[in-house]
Amino acid sequence: DAGVIQSPRHEVTEMGQEVTLRCKPISGHDYLFWYRQTMMRGLELLIYFNNNVPIDDSGMPEDRFSAKMPNASFSTLKIQPSEPRDSAVYFCASKLGRLNTEAFFGQGTRLTVV
Amino acid sequence: DQQVKQNSPSLSVQEGRISILNCDYTNSMFDYFLWYKKYPAEGPTFLISISSIKDKNEDGRFTVFLNKSAKHLSLHIVPSQPGDSAVYFCAASAIGTASKLTFGTGTRLQVTL
Repeated sequence: DAGVIQSPRHEVTEMGQEVTLRCKPISGHDYLFWYRQTMMRGLELLIYFNNNVPIDDSGMPEDRFSAKMPNASFSTLKIQPSEPRDSAVYFCASKLGRLNTEAFFGQGTRLTVV
Repeated sequence: DQQVKQNSPSLSVQEGRISILNCDYTNSMFDYFLWYKKYPAEGPTFLISISSIKDKNEDGRFTVFLNKSAKHLSLHIVPSQPGDSAVYFCAASAIGTASKLTFGTGTRLQVTL
């Protein structure tokens, strides 16, 4: 398996524009997570899905952020409108099962909003 | 509210010596702990984990210690190697929410020659 695949790897956009980040989890994994990495807060969990259903979105910072998982092999994280403070590295991760196992991360998308 | 804290942003250790990375947590419901390693421009990768029923878990050069009463865990790397230079994240999950990992802010380890 190729692992968790995220696209794009880098995104530079102007303030106010819509940004869509994409993720393909590892085949067969039933949990998918979106994290944001910042210097101040480390890795923050934004939202996670189980079997394509959002379970906990309490980490989503504002209504400008939304996430979807239309099927087991694809998820998106959308920011609209984007702001400079959204600049960060966004990671997608997937996991198999509910028990104590590790999550596998993608390589991340570095977002810069100017 | 940072439930998982890594108070040392960086650590420098000589090659061959022991590296000790520390992590504190505040949520008494956490019962499973993990360490992840992250190289620049890559995603975090799983390193080692420990369940709250244990106080030590070892995997080669890596050992994790858990002190539940102090709500503290540490990662020991012996001997440290230059390839260990990376950012290390501590993570935890709580009883009943085994899938939800809460991460610390990370510690950057530099292993010098």
